[in-house]
Amino acid sequence: DADVTQTPRNRITKTGKRIMLECSQTKGHDRMYWYRQDPGLGLQLIYYSFDVKDINKGEISDGYSVSRQAQAKFSLSLESAIPNQTALYFCATSGRQNTEAFFGQGTRLTVV
Amino acid sequence: AQSVTQLGSHVSVSEGALVLLRCNYSSSVPPYLFWYVQYPNQGLQLLLKYTSAATLVKGINGFEAEFKKSETSFHLTKPSAHMSDAAEYFCAVSDLDSSYKLIFGSGTRLLVRP
Repeated sequence: DADVTQTPRNRITKTGKRIMLECSQTKGHDRMYWYRQDPGLGLQLIYYSFDVKDINKGEISDGYSVSRQAQAKFSLSLESAIPNQTALYFCATSGRQNTEAFFGQGTRLTVV
Repeated sequence: AQSVTQLGSHVSVSEGALVLLRCNYSSSVPPYLFWYVQYPNQGLQLLLKYTSAATLVKGINGFEAEFKKSETSFHLTKPSAHMSDAAEYFCAVSDLDSSYKLIFGSGTRLLVRP
């Protein structure tokens, strides 16, 4: 089983719909992240959480919200999806300071 | 705030040729630096990382990178490209000021010609 699991892997949704992307990890890490990948822009940080009671906005948080349900679970929601939120979304986890991040396989989201 | 600049969104080399992917960072405190690789339809995989030990870092698949503080650079190299190296490569930085969250560059797609 993968260390970081994202569901769904692919999703097509309509403009205005609410959608939730889920992430779970078995690494035992405190820190979890949501990134968005667009061609030519690299990965942009949406939200991050350093423990269950800690939630922080990243570079591009507008239009998104998150929930840290447990140490191992971190979900990303789009309250009212719009077409420019069409992208590849990655969840990642890391330990504390100077350690690498481990990534899920990604969720490809298309908003039509 | 820290940032990462990757020069060249696309780099094309012949099989067997030297691979050089450039990364410059901005950080007001000692950084930790990473190179990740992304193969098609996959997540990101760590190639190597610099965490203030040796300035020349060796990674997987024959890649290495050298931390040069005076040039604020962390360029990725491989002496001889293989067809299987074709992928997208991302440089990333983290530091104490950012609470060690990872900030990524825009990526460089490596094309390997037969």
